Amino acid sequence: QQQVKQSPQSLIVQKGGISIINCAYENTAFDYFPWYQQFPGKGPALLIAIRPDVSEKKEGRFTISFNKSAKQFSLHIMDSQPGDSATYFCAAEAGSYQLTFGKGTKLSVIP
Amino acid sequence: EAGVAQSPRYKIIEKRQSVAFWCNPISGHATLYWYQQILGQGPKLLIQFQNNGVVDDSQLPKDRFSAERLKGVDSTLKIQPAKLEDSAVYLCASSLAPAGGSNEQFFGPGTRLTVL
Repeated sequence: QQQVKQSPQSLIVQKGGISIINCAYENTAFDYFPWYQQFPGKGPALLIAIRPDVSEKKEGRFTISFNKSAKQFSLHIMDSQPGDSATYFCAAEAGSYQLTFGKGTKLSVIP
Repeated sequence: EAGVAQSPRYKIIEKRQSVAFWCNPISGHATLYWYQQILGQGPKLLIQFQNNGVVDDSQLPKDRFSAERLKGVDSTLKIQPAKLEDSAVYLCASSLAPAGGSNEQFFGPGTRLTVL
């Protein structure tokens, strides 16, 4: 049973554009929502995370938007750069320090 | 700060053979995780340790997979016998949790297993 649904599966964005990746969840016990970035041959690395008491969190060019009532959250990458080309995973945690990951979005930023 | 170390980085075996993976977490991290990442999917948790005790192994196929964390530091994950569907990247991660107030997990580079 997939508890975190992520879309799109792949995304191509031009340099300078905005990349948007969406995730939806069903388990209302989730209380921590991180995004991980993974480059080929590397393990995932934490990019940014949010808790459901806020609707938005911004760190540099990366913003998480969170909609608790809709049980959805999204990652926005502003001014996308070729170096942002990677696979992005949303995840969710229900207080047990265990992450449930989405299937990932492969982002390609073309010059 | 040194990251999570894993070895080997690549392993090719034939089905029904056995294989073992090793992980050295970040110093001081109490919690250690093993994940299976099949191509094109997100990591799936196999087992979670806190110090040298198992917190959750509900998704570990115990008929063929085993894991241990001796002395609450290094960990090994073993598959015996391997099946074709075990071909995946095996990721180890560690975390300060439950201490430190942080949920961040730090991942190693993974071991890519190919079962022929």
